[in-house]
Amino acid sequence: SQKIEQNSEALNIQEGKTATLTCNYTNYSPAYLQWYRQDPGRGPVFLLLIRENEKEKRKERLKVTFDTTLKQSLFHITASQPADSATYLCALLAGSGGYQKVTFGTGTKLQVIP
Amino acid sequence: SAVISQKPSRDICQRGTSLTIQCQVDSQVTMMFWYRQQPGQSLTLIATANQGSEATYESGFVIDKFPISRPNLTFSTLTVSNMSPEDSSIYLCSASGALETQYFGPGTRLLVL
Repeated sequence: SQKIEQNSEALNIQEGKTATLTCNYTNYSPAYLQWYRQDPGRGPVFLLLIRENEKEKRKERLKVTFDTTLKQSLFHITASQPADSATYLCALLAGSGGYQKVTFGTGTKLQVIP
Repeated sequence: SAVISQKPSRDICQRGTSLTIQCQVDSQVTMMFWYRQQPGQSLTLIATANQGSEATYESGFVIDKFPISRPNLTFSTLTVSNMSPEDSSIYLCSASGALETQYFGPGTRLLVL
């Protein structure tokens, strides 16, 4: 069956360190993968997209890698700050027969400790 | 980018009743979607709201239970019909020009007693 797995346990890191979140998928051939941030009581906010033919994407303190052989994406936040504390969701676009949709992982809660 | 608003932000409803959730986008968008997110869970796509035609429902969701309207490019409604406690969830509307980026509303928190 198709699965998108993110570490369900919360990730606690010290302020200033690099946070690394993992997204693994099975039985998908995604055209691209997205990362979203979700704060409590709010809808997700789009952060980054990486395509299947891209290895790495950066945006300010954020870096995403995409390994289609390992079927894995890593999401890094460098020089983390307490304001980065949130749940981070990965999502991928995949489908067949001309129909594609975005499917979300369960998310990883990040807590940055001052 | 697009700014999405949803009404109501939350509601408490009795079993057997129906609730209609409204989603308004501040600009014309190609696609609008409705998701459900249960506490601690991921987002599950209910359906794609198609302008001028019937919505496209995902497996496990049916029109009789979740009728959707999209009369124009900036507005959609989702009705949760004949509610039961299992329908208690957060319902999220999203909009997209292309699937590469989705903009989400703040969600509607529904509690069914």
